[in-house]
Amino acid sequence: SQTIHQWPATLVQPVGSPLSLECTVEGTSNPNLYWYRQAAGRGLQLLFYSVGIGQISSEVPQNLSASRPQDRQFILSSKKLLLSDSGFYLCAWSGGGEVGNTEAFFGQGTRLTVV
Amino acid sequence: KQEVTQIPAALSVPEGENLVLNCSFTDSAIYNLQWFRQDPGKGLTSLLLIQSSQREQTSGRLNASLDKSSGRSTLYIAASQPGDSATYLCAAAQGGSEKLVFGKGTKLTVNP
Repeated sequence: SQTIHQWPATLVQPVGSPLSLECTVEGTSNPNLYWYRQAAGRGLQLLFYSVGIGQISSEVPQNLSASRPQDRQFILSSKKLLLSDSGFYLCAWSGGGEVGNTEAFFGQGTRLTVV
Repeated sequence: KQEVTQIPAALSVPEGENLVLNCSFTDSAIYNLQWFRQDPGKGLTSLLLIQSSQREQTSGRLNASLDKSSGRSTLYIAASQPGDSATYLCAAAQGGSEKLVFGKGTKLTVNP
């Protein structure tokens, strides 16, 4: 069966510090991978998605970047965190290679607080 | 640009009641619609996926319907239980990358 791992669960970082959140998927190959952010009262916002190694699409301009160094690994990074980067970050995957009708599965999220 | 709206934002019901959560979307050209459950401080758990060619899906006490022409989906929960208390999110999948556009959710409280 497929599983998705996301860590850390919580993180408190000072303004201006770097960030690295990691997400890995097991039990599938060539998945579509996603990073979402959930802010209070604003719902889930898609930040990045990837349909393959090294292929990253950014949905909104921001202080963050994403990378996919391996097929089932997705990393969210920042060189210098801002207070506005605080939020709940969620990684997700869906079946790759099959357009349209596959289910999305989410990790347990990382609560990031920038102080 | 796809917009997804969920009404009501919050709902409180007594245990045992049947209830309906509503989801509407502005662009009917979706690949699928998915319902999720989120417990406080946790990730999303997939409940039901309705493909664009389907009208409904059922899982246990849950039934989700999809009407693409009217841009609506409903999640029906039968015989609600306190353990059903959570935030329920619907999301519409767009485009070849299956990007999901989410509503803001309905926070459900089932009182014993």
